[in-house]
Parts: sequence; structure tokens; C-alpha cells
Amino acid sequence: EVQLVESGGGLVQPGGSLRLSCAASGFTFSNSWMHWVRQAPGKGLVWVSRINSGGSSTTYADSVKGRFTISRDDAKNTLYLQMNSLRAEDTAVYYCARGVPDTRGLLDYWGQGTLVTVSS
Amino acid sequence: DIVMTQSPDSLAVSLGERATINCKSSQSVLYSSNNKNYLAWYQQKPGQPPKLLIFWAFTRESGVPDRFSGSGSGTDFTLTISSLQAEDVAVYYCQQYYSTPFTFGPGTKVDIK
Repeated sequence: EVQLVESGGGLVQPGGSLRLSCAASGFTFSNSWMHWVRQAPGKGLVWVSRINSGGSSTTYADSVKGRFTISRDDAKNTLYLQMNSLRAEDTAVYYCARGVPDTRGLLDYWGQGTLVTVSS
Repeated sequence: DIVMTQSPDSLAVSLGERATINCKSSQSVLYSSNNKNYLAWYQQKPGQPPKLLIFWAFTRESGVPDRFSGSGSGTDFTLTISSLQAEDVAVYYCQQYYSTPFTFGPGTKVDIK
């Protein structure tokens, strides 16, 4: 059974940093492209970032480029999102999701999400 | 960026009746090399993550009831729930996965009338 479990969310002050983790199991993580998608409270879904299998290629939404870094540790089957210079508008539930092979950005499994609140 | 729009914002349908949601992309998501539309539909129930329902515009994900169907091509797409069940109450999102940033529609909330 595919499982994605996010952690690391919490309350952080504007300008602060946070690192999210997503522990994967039930599939060959190292072969999978992985994504982060966020959802502000009561709002819609916004794609944030993706990383290819192997970790050599990353892509970001303009709203987070230069502030967020996606990475992976295939030995630990874990995806990360390092978030720096956080702003109030980054407040959201952050989901990790598995990309379907050869589809660019189709997402077939999602974690339950972790809430990030940026507030003073 | 490809902008996705959905209509209506919300709809209420009687149990057993048809629900239709429309999605439009600001540019075509049909890839000519493989003749596939890079368009998906997700269902999100309160307090849950999104669930993939439909991909390539009309292919149902494994385990998705056949009352859910997708249609359309190019820039105009439709999700149809042929006979609404109580468990279908949710917000439905379309997504283009043709090019980054992969964008979602604003969502359509489906309720029981």
C-alpha cells in the first residue's frame, strides 16, 4: 500500500524557516518523481514544486522560487521541502504527492498534509 | 502559465440526478505527439487530501465508480457524475499537467439538494 506521511509543519514567524518531510512507503521511491502542493485554509490547490527521480532536476512555482528548496533522500525514502523567508501567504496545508511516470505532473497518491502557519 | 477556470462554483443536485462540472484551460493541453489531453480531475472531501478520479481527460483511475466520467479535448472539459450519491459530496478540481506550473481550477463544490 502506497503511503505518504508529511511532518514538520507548525507555527513560524514571518521571515522564519521550516523544513517539511514526507516519508514514503509501499512503492519504489527512488524511481518516482515527487511533488509538493499546498492549500491555504478554505482555498484551492496550488502546485509548489517537483523533483525528478535521482534529484538532479527541480522545478518551482514563481511564488516560492528562491525561497523554497525541494530535495530527496532515496536511502531514507524521504522527500523534503526547505522553506525560508516565510511569509503570511505561505500559510497552508502542504501535501506531498507522487507523480505518475511519464506524465509530467499527474499526481496519483497524496499524503494527509501538514499545516504550516506563518504568523507573529 | 495555463489558467484553469471551472463552472459553476457550486451546485446542488438531488440524489440520483446528474451533476456536470465544466473546466476550461487558457491554452490547449492536448499534446499532438501522443494525442493526449493532459487534464485530470480530483475529488476532495472535507479534511481529506485530494483523490485522483480521472486522467488523460477521460480515463478513470482504478477503483473509481463508473458514474464518474470525463470528456472534452483541447481547452474545454467536463466531469459528469451520472447519478449523484451521498458520498460524492465534495469539491472537485481540474488540473492541467501539460506544463509547469501545473495549475488547478478553483474548484466546484457539489452538494445534495
